[in-house]
Amino acid sequence: DVKVTQSSRYLVKRTGEKVFLECVQDMDHENMFWYRQDPGLGLRLIYFSYDVKMKEKGDIPEGYSVSREKKERFSLILESASTNQTSMYLCASIEPKPRGRNGYTFGSGTRLTVV
Amino acid sequence: DQQVKQNSPSLSVQEGRISILNCDYTNSMFDYFLWYKKYPAEGPTFLISISSIKDKNEDGRFTVFLNKSAKHLSLHIVPSQPGDSAVYFCAASAYSGGSNYKLTFGKGTLLTVNP
Repeated sequence: DVKVTQSSRYLVKRTGEKVFLECVQDMDHENMFWYRQDPGLGLRLIYFSYDVKMKEKGDIPEGYSVSREKKERFSLILESASTNQTSMYLCASIEPKPRGRNGYTFGSGTRLTVV
Repeated sequence: DQQVKQNSPSLSVQEGRISILNCDYTNSMFDYFLWYKKYPAEGPTFLISISSIKDKNEDGRFTVFLNKSAKHLSLHIVPSQPGDSAVYFCAASAYSGGSNYKLTFGKGTLLTVNP
């Protein structure tokens, strides 16, 4: 089974800090994604990547950046954390063919609290 | 513009009865649909999917129905069990060629199954 590992389950950071959320997958997937989940808002796409060093903005990229230096690792960066970035962050990956018939494999999530 | 809509934020059913979760979509290019289940403090897990060439897919207690003309799909759980209590997300994709693959999610429905 594909495994997507997020390095931290819970994080507490201060306003203004630079925050790194790490995600690693072990199945050589090309496609990787970062979402945040908030009550009443569902899953919102922040950034995604189709290949190494390739990234595209999702629906809510403001205040975030990403890094994909190696195929297995996709990092989400909060340049200057703010309280409205308190959320559950979810990383996912998917195989491109045959169109990932079971969809994404998600990590367990990182619950980030910015104080 | 929300392309995948789950209009019921919550649903409560009795153990042993049927749970019906609904999802509507607006993008006629969507051709593959999935349901995910999410427990608190965990990542979503794949539940069941359906291609637009079908109108029904069944897997054990879970059945997904697709009505393309109405742009509507539903997830039936029979019989419902307390362990089914979770947030259920509907997701859809439109094939864009190459290796690109991205899911659009609804906001989720919290299902509570009462013993």
